[in-house]
Amino acid sequence: EDKVVQSPLSLVVHEGDTVTLNCSYEVTNFRSLLWYKQEKKAPTFLFMLTSSGIEKKSGRLSSILDKKELSSILNITATQTGDSAIYLCAGRVAAGNKLTFGGGTRVLVKP
Amino acid sequence: DAGVIQSPRHEVTEMGQEVTLRCKPISGHNSLFWYRQTMMRGLELLIYFNNNVPIDDSGMPEDRFSAKMPNASFSTLKIQPSEPRDSAVYFCASSLGGGEWETQYFGPGTRLLVL
Repeated sequence: EDKVVQSPLSLVVHEGDTVTLNCSYEVTNFRSLLWYKQEKKAPTFLFMLTSSGIEKKSGRLSSILDKKELSSILNITATQTGDSAIYLCAGRVAAGNKLTFGGGTRVLVKP
Repeated sequence: DAGVIQSPRHEVTEMGQEVTLRCKPISGHNSLFWYRQTMMRGLELLIYFNNNVPIDDSGMPEDRFSAKMPNASFSTLKIQPSEPRDSAVYFCASSLGGGEWETQYFGPGTRLLVL
């Protein structure tokens, strides 16, 4: 059975801090790893990672995949209160669009 | 452009009642997914469709759950009879195609409470 585990479960930081979120996966026929941000409602797409060692960046967010370690990290630098959310990662199998999600990391950024 | 549309947004019902959740995918999208999110189990895939055909329903918890997609612009998820443990947020998502490079776009969810 495919499995995705995220850590930590939650964390509290202050504005300006940097956070690092972890995601490890055991996905048969793994193809890609995706990160989503979930605020009050629906998850919104952040990144899709397919190649090991290549960093993807979007503003203050960046992410990288390590296929050898079966893991990924999501970094948020210079955090703002608007970064407060649950961050979800998901593994995707080859030849399909089925995602297995981790339990998420809840991030709270205090002013 | 309208995103994925779900209705109702909130539903409160009593145990034993039938519940029907509705979803309209983004126009032109050929794949549709139903997820359930709870504190205990996180976000779980229940079933997904490609071109209106169910591809994988291995996540459907039991026979009380059924899903249909009669056309490209509408899908339902039905629970009959409902039980308190079905209380969760149910998300519908759609993607342009069924391939491994497609991004899934989520609807706002239906928050279901079964008393």
